[in-house]
Amino acid sequence: DIQMTQSPSTLSASVGDRVTITCRAGQSISGWLAWYQQKPGKAPNLLIYKASSLESGVPSRFSGSGSGTEFTLTISSLQPDDFATYYCQQYDSYPRTFGQGTKVEIK
Amino acid sequence: EVQLLDSGGGLLQPGGSLRLSCAASGFTFSSYAMSWVRQAPGKGLEWVAVISGGGITTSYADSVKGRFTISRDNSKNTLYLQMNSLRAEDTAIYYCAKDSIVRGYYDSSPQAPFDYWGRGTLVTVSS
Repeated sequence: DIQMTQSPSTLSASVGDRVTITCRAGQSISGWLAWYQQKPGKAPNLLIYKASSLESGVPSRFSGSGSGTEFTLTISSLQPDDFATYYCQQYDSYPRTFGQGTKVEIK
Repeated sequence: EVQLLDSGGGLLQPGGSLRLSCAASGFTFSSYAMSWVRQAPGKGLEWVAVISGGGITTSYADSVKGRFTISRDNSKNTLYLQMNSLRAEDTAIYYCAKDSIVRGYYDSSPQAPFDYWGRGTLVTVSS
């Protein structure tokens, strides 16, 4: 199984801050990486796919980058609606595995 | 509009069985592989199982292999998860999720993210 490790686990930030979350894969996943946002009591929502492609309807302040085993999700200017938990997921091979999540909290 | 309505969760004792359903609408159901993903209370996401669009090919997480069976009825646009020999560690919200890419009848390749999710149905296993 490919282990996905996110950092940090929790992040405290203010509205307007630039936020970066890192995801490391246990082996190369050839860019088959997605980022999801999950709010309490809701299902996850796809933000980024293929490491850097923005899902339709997702604000442009979200961006993804990386290749091989190291990837990042960046929120260029944090908005009140962005306080949530973010998960990376590899879909290179089964089992599709997720990172443990990064909770973005209000500072 | 794509909709996934998962249902069937409940409270049951260890060793029990339960069948979850996910009613799909707004897309050509048989053209997409579908998965179940679960989330234990306060925990992260765990992929559980996948089935190809034609219902021929399946794959499971090791944690459920031999106990859970994923299936689909394309005539009813419905996905199922039959869960047997349930354990306390199976307690979770179960989500159905749709692959974002059209696949062939037998194809359940992993190279597609989940673009739509159900609202989730809670399964609690406790004595």
